[in-house]
Amino acid sequence: DAKTTQPTSMDCAEGRAANLPCNHSTISGNEYVYWYRQIHSQGPQYIIHGLKNNETNEMASLIITEDRKSSTLILPHATLRDTAVYYCIVNFGNEKLTFGTGTRLTIIP
Amino acid sequence: EPEVTQTPSHQVTQMGQEVILRCVPISNHLYFYWYRQILGQKVEFLVSFYNNEISEKSEIFDDQFSVERPDGSNFTLKIRSTKLEDSAMYFCASSDQGPEETQYFGPGTRLLVL
Repeated sequence: DAKTTQPTSMDCAEGRAANLPCNHSTISGNEYVYWYRQIHSQGPQYIIHGLKNNETNEMASLIITEDRKSSTLILPHATLRDTAVYYCIVNFGNEKLTFGTGTRLTIIP
Repeated sequence: EPEVTQTPSHQVTQMGQEVILRCVPISNHLYFYWYRQILGQKVEFLVSFYNNEISEKSEIFDDQFSVERPDGSNFTLKIRSTKLEDSAMYFCASSDQGPEETQYFGPGTRLLVL
């Protein structure tokens, strides 16, 4: 089973920041937090990952709490093309990825 | 930007036939994976491959499945005798070696078994 818990669905207005939460209370010290998204039935797309520090790239920001038991993915200015299922996954090294059901994010025009 | 490619994009086959799904991983990557997603369900891990051998496989990956890296660029998944329940999207992924190496996914092959 997935080691993360995410809300089933969320809506966000176009142009606003989308904040997607994830709980991973059983994360171990060497596991990273990864975020992927899947648009329709396309291949999962990597977004960002982090260990304990906050991270930012051209797609998103990742905020990890100090105890590492939860994190938030932030899409700063959501567009309609950001409508997708977002997966939060904890993983280490080259282990298999275990996907949960993710959060279905709908961007509202 | 390097990407994982997969062929064919769609495959229709009759039950009991053999199919081979092909993937070209990112060129300097060392780990290769197959996942599948039955319509409306989660993405499920099938198998990982490293150093020319299977490093891990799921219970789904039974004797009907096999993987091969026949040359320096391709990575294949063979289903020996397809069943109706093998109908799914099949995704190939690859990653470099290390504690935080990201897996990058291909666009998938949609397999339909009739």
